[in-house]
Amino acid sequence: DTGVSQNPRHKITKRGQNVTFRCDPISEHNRLYWYRQTLGQGPEFLTYFQNEAQLEKSRLLSDRFSAERPKGSFSTLEIQRTEQGDSAMYLCASSLAGSQPQHFGDGTRLSIL
Amino acid sequence: TQLLEQSPQFLSIQEGENLTVYCNSSSVFSSLQWYRQEPGEGPVLLVTVVTGGEVKKLKRLTFQFGDARKDSSLHITAAQPGDTGLYLCAGARAGGTSYGKLTFGQGTILTVHP
Repeated sequence: DTGVSQNPRHKITKRGQNVTFRCDPISEHNRLYWYRQTLGQGPEFLTYFQNEAQLEKSRLLSDRFSAERPKGSFSTLEIQRTEQGDSAMYLCASSLAGSQPQHFGDGTRLSIL
Repeated sequence: TQLLEQSPQFLSIQEGENLTVYCNSSSVFSSLQWYRQEPGEGPVLLVTVVTGGEVKKLKRLTFQFGDARKDSSLHITAAQPGDTGLYLCAGARAGGTSYGKLTFGQGTILTVHP
């Protein structure tokens, strides 16, 4: 399967801990996006990369959040000092270009105890 | 801020009925995408509409993009239990640094009863 892959699928952690998620996009896709989705809502944009360059960050992305895509392939999203409000599904998507449809992974569900 | 208003939020119907989901905005989008999402999975792309007034059909699903590219609809004919899921519309901006970034509606949870 050459779709978007996200790991881990589930993460349970205590408040105050740091967590890191990984996204492997479809190969040759230049664009990589991160979204956050809470129960019963549509995904909300967090940030996106064009190759290794991070081009936009949402105001939802506080200083505790950081994302990287060091070699223009896989990406990581780190949340430091997690809070209850960080509990959500974190979705990654990739596309061939900005004008092309985005294809999503199955997400990482984060639960903060 | 671009917003997409999706309605209805919940839809519970019997197998065989028809339904329409609406997606409205005051902003113009370069394209609009419809996704279907199952619990615990990521959204799966159903269709992308690009041209104002465009109509696309996918078996029993008909998608329409408004003439002004501000609204869209999804019509399902003779719904089946397998159509059950969360339907999401998402608009993409036309240009600038946010080119390609998707703004999602809040989704429509469809339940089709046998």
